[in-house]
Amino acid sequence: GAVVSQHPSWVICKSGTSVKIECRSLDFQATTMFWYRQFPKQSLMLMATSNEGSKATYEQGVEKDKFLINHASLTLSTLTVTSAHPEDSSFYICSARFAGPTDTQYFGPGTRLTVL
Amino acid sequence: AQSVTQLDSQVPVFEEAPVELRCNYSSSVSVYLFWYVQYPNQGLQLLLKYLSGSTLVKGINGFEAEFNKSQTSFHLRKPSVHISDTAEYFCAVRDNQAGTALIFGKGTTLSVSS
Repeated sequence: GAVVSQHPSWVICKSGTSVKIECRSLDFQATTMFWYRQFPKQSLMLMATSNEGSKATYEQGVEKDKFLINHASLTLSTLTVTSAHPEDSSFYICSARFAGPTDTQYFGPGTRLTVL
Repeated sequence: AQSVTQLDSQVPVFEEAPVELRCNYSSSVSVYLFWYVQYPNQGLQLLLKYLSGSTLVKGINGFEAEFNKSQTSFHLRKPSVHISDTAEYFCAVRDNQAGTALIFGKGTTLSVSS
């Protein structure tokens, strides 16, 4: 199956700093990528949908100025958590859409962010 | 908007027993349905999916699910579970329109003991 990678797999940062998470589709071009957030022992909540070359569409309640998403190419999307605070600590998972016959979403392994 | 309800937050079972994890969705339009498994500190792995055709879908690791349109359900079953099936299971739904995102249920923790 198609492969989606995320980097870093985990990151610890100080409160007030910014953290960038990369999501790459390794063997296919993804016109659409999705970013999810998962708190411990909870479900995945869709944060935003990002289309290559255009602004991301954020879900209600997600601060677009805090969670900056850039989908600069067909294989790379980045999520930058700006001025991170402890409440931003979470598991962030990206997903890339493979627009084949079954229009499948492939998930990355996730990035665990801990803000001290 | 789509929503998914997983009726059981935790399901404890003994090894080799059958199990059913329940999932209901709310939608009046055509949907695609999925089940994912997540092991501790890992990403999601697709178990199976329903796109169209036969309502009984077989997936990996011996799991299967049945799509029931009238009851808007997509319950996951396995006739005999193993210790290694202990994990978090998520049901997800999306519209059959191209480019829409998966919406997840809250998850069911399956705990298999000997």
